[in-house]
Amino acid sequence: AQTVTQSQPEMSVQEAETVTLSCTYDTSESDYYLFWYKQPPSRQMILVIRQEAYKQQNATENRFSVNFQKAAKSFSLKISDSQLGDAAMYFCAYRRPSIYGGSQGNLIFGKGTKLSVKP
Amino acid sequence: DTAVSQTPKYLVTQMGNDKSIKCEQNLGHDTMYWYKQDSKKFLKIMFSYNNKELIINETVPNRFSPKSPDKAHLNLHINSLELGDSAVYFCASSRTRTAGELFFGEGSRLTVL
Repeated sequence: AQTVTQSQPEMSVQEAETVTLSCTYDTSESDYYLFWYKQPPSRQMILVIRQEAYKQQNATENRFSVNFQKAAKSFSLKISDSQLGDAAMYFCAYRRPSIYGGSQGNLIFGKGTKLSVKP
Repeated sequence: DTAVSQTPKYLVTQMGNDKSIKCEQNLGHDTMYWYKQDSKKFLKIMFSYNNKELIINETVPNRFSPKSPDKAHLNLHINSLELGDSAVYFCASSRTRTAGELFFGEGSRLTVL
């Protein structure tokens, strides 16, 4: 079964600095999706960034970028120029696109990393 | 326009009662989901429907019954509520059952007293 591990329950960063959140996953599949979702205190789950496993290029969305290491099964999120509004729980998630087998298409989440941003 | 909307946002109820949470998506997506987020923030799939057909049914008590009248709606009914059912329940949708990201509703916080 696929698993997603976020080894940092909490992280802290100074405003305007850069922080990296770690995520590793376990799978025997070669084709899949990886995501980072943000959950601020408002509770809403917001997609931050996505990565298709077949793409070698790391995804980037403005101040957010990933370091996708497929062989190492690692998918870290880098937040540059951190802002107070970045404070939230961040969840790494894996999705297997295969239509065969159980729970296909389901998102499997890590336990989350709580990010604090200091002014 | 809210893409995935859930009602109600908050429910407070007594043990043993029955409650429902409704979900609607206006994205034209084929697939909808119910996730449960526990007190430690862990998110776990409960059910998934694709074009009104149940495709994922995780180990969830029979007291939980999803219903999808059409592909834009997925409701969750819970019978005989227990203390352990207290959680945030998220509805989500995706374009297809296999591709892309999930879009989430705002969550419904259920408190069972």
